[in-house]
Amino acid sequence: AAGVIQSPRHLIKEKRETATLKCYPIPRHDTVYWYQQGPGQDPQFLISFYEKMQSDKGSIPDRFSAQQFSDYHSELNMSSLELGDSALYFCASSLEGEVKAGPYEQYFGPGTRLTVT
Amino acid sequence: LAKTTQPISMDSYEGQEVNITCSHNNIATNDYITWYQQFPSQGPRFIIQGYKTKVTNEVASLFIPADRKSSTLSLPRVSLSDTAVYYCLVGGALSGGYNKLIFGAGTRLAVHP
Repeated sequence: AAGVIQSPRHLIKEKRETATLKCYPIPRHDTVYWYQQGPGQDPQFLISFYEKMQSDKGSIPDRFSAQQFSDYHSELNMSSLELGDSALYFCASSLEGEVKAGPYEQYFGPGTRLTVT
Repeated sequence: LAKTTQPISMDSYEGQEVNITCSHNNIATNDYITWYQQFPSQGPRFIIQGYKTKVTNEVASLFIPADRKSSTLSLPRVSLSDTAVYYCLVGGALSGGYNKLIFGAGTRLAVHP
């Protein structure tokens, strides 16, 4: 079965540079969530989109922005990168438009490991 | 979202049954209980979800007592590949992209040969 695709898998950037992470949800899934996981930490929610509209926002820095496109893929744009942005970034998708889909059942991608030097 | 408390770590041996209990004293009437598994450097994986009583799938069982103030994830006959962090999450069923996962400190399960 198709899974969530994230690209790139690894990314190395220098401080103050910009990075763009991409996420391709499972076909027919209508919701995308972005999470950040720092070294030795638990995943933290950043932002979500439902039917291409931003739905919820967590502790996402103002330097970060995201959007979901007409084909449902999503991009996380990160500017003025800082050393502390080094982390694994996960995208997850879910199908919330159907009753039979359980709440909180999300499917995660393999993640993008961002290293800021 | 209700606060959850679970053991920081657990150890087991191959072939044993492992039970991880999660406390959620402030669970709300419409809250669901969900468990995720995460291997190092991989995205969390949905294991099981329940509202009350017992739920079983091909991977695990979830036991929820009548008062719902706790729940127990049961992994039958664990193997080395079950070594991972297990997260218990509690939250109400929303819609429209509001079902964000709030991960607390999970339980690090180590399975030994």
